[in-house]
Amino acid sequence: DQQVKQNSPSLSVQEGRISILNCDYTNSMFDYFLWYKKYPAEGPTFLISISSIKDKNEDGRFTVFLNKSAKHLSLHIVPSQPGDSAVYFCAARRANSGGSNYKLTFGKGTLLTVNP
Amino acid sequence: EAGVTQFPSHSVIEKGQTVTLRCDPISGHDNLYWYRRVMGKEIKFLLHFVKESKQDESGMPNNRFLAERTGGTYSTLKVQPAELEDSGVYFCASSQGDRGLVETQYFGPGTRLLVL
Repeated sequence: DQQVKQNSPSLSVQEGRISILNCDYTNSMFDYFLWYKKYPAEGPTFLISISSIKDKNEDGRFTVFLNKSAKHLSLHIVPSQPGDSAVYFCAARRANSGGSNYKLTFGKGTLLTVNP
Repeated sequence: EAGVTQFPSHSVIEKGQTVTLRCDPISGHDNLYWYRRVMGKEIKFLLHFVKESKQDESGMPNNRFLAERTGGTYSTLKVQPAELEDSGVYFCASSQGDRGLVETQYFGPGTRLLVL
């Protein structure tokens, strides 16, 4: 049972426009969400995160929005650049009382292509 | 500062053989995670070490997989005997261990395993 879903396998946008990547989750116990970016033959690289107590977090061209009631989050990239072309993974985790295991639950990823 | 390193980068073996993957975390990181991505699917958690102790092995597929972390430094993941369905990319990640839920996991480049 997939707890984090990225329903769009791919997305193509023009340079300078906005890229919106979407992610849905089913487990209401998740309280921290992350986006990772992955280039071919490399490992995932942390991009941006958001706590469940917030609805928005911004870092430069990247903004993550969280809608807890809908169990939905999105990553906005403005403006998109060709170097942003990569696979973007949505991930979630939850606090474990008394423990320190913050394992990540990932979606399948969305391949973003930014065309010059 | 050196990132997470993994060895080998690629491995091609025949069904029934044994393969050992190695991960060197970022120096000083207490938390070490193993993940696996089977082609086209999500990145899945395998297990988590805190220093040399296994904190959570709930993601390990079966008893053909054995992970160790000698002296709380590097970790090895052995697959014996390997089966066709073990093919995929094995990622290792590490984190410092003192920031709780908001802690960032840093990923290595992965080991691409192909079992023929």
